[in-house]
Amino acid sequence: GEDVEQSLFLSVREGDSSVINCTYTDSSSTYLYWYKQEPGAGLQLLTYIFSNMDMKQDQRLTVLLNKKDKHLSLRIADTQTGDSAIYFCAEIEGNTPLVFGKGTRLSVIA
Amino acid sequence: EAQVTQNPRYLITVTGKKLTVTCSQNMNHEYMSWYRQDPGLGLRQIYYSMNVEVTDKGDVPEGYKVSRKEKRNFPLILESPSPNQTSLYFCASSDYDRRYGYTFGSGTRLTVV
Repeated sequence: GEDVEQSLFLSVREGDSSVINCTYTDSSSTYLYWYKQEPGAGLQLLTYIFSNMDMKQDQRLTVLLNKKDKHLSLRIADTQTGDSAIYFCAEIEGNTPLVFGKGTRLSVIA
Repeated sequence: EAQVTQNPRYLITVTGKKLTVTCSQNMNHEYMSWYRQDPGLGLRQIYYSMNVEVTDKGDVPEGYKVSRKEKRNFPLILESPSPNQTSLYFCASSDYDRRYGYTFGSGTRLTVV
């Protein structure tokens, strides 16, 4: 079945860039997503990218998709303390359910 | 405001006492789903529904039931809860295409003692 892998922890200094990485196994993935979960809250969709795209930029967020290596990354520029959260990578292929990685806990040090 | 509403937010119950967690969405979405989130295991899908009267098992359906009698509602039923169902539960919905991702509810933290 599909599998999505992420590193569990990332620590960065305030003002630096954060890069959160994700690998997936399903080469037929159609849509890929990044979700953010703040403490005690639900999941908030941050951004998405379709499989026919290589890059998507939205303000401080840049998503890069390398389909050959099945690698997805999320770059957060000028990381702030409010960016501290768990970030989930997720993917969909066809009619299959949304599959999540286990999440990367981002800690921002002031 | 477009949203997915879950109730209750917190629930403590005893083993074997039937409970229902409600989920309602106001976006006319066809697709609805339940997930549970556990430390170290991430989010795992329990059940999903592609439309009214259509439900399918996810990865961890044992001990749960769902129904989809109306498009907006997708309740999660635990007929006889056990302590291993202590978890954080999320309901989510999406349009049929799902290309723009799911909208999640705020979660229900369930403790079974």
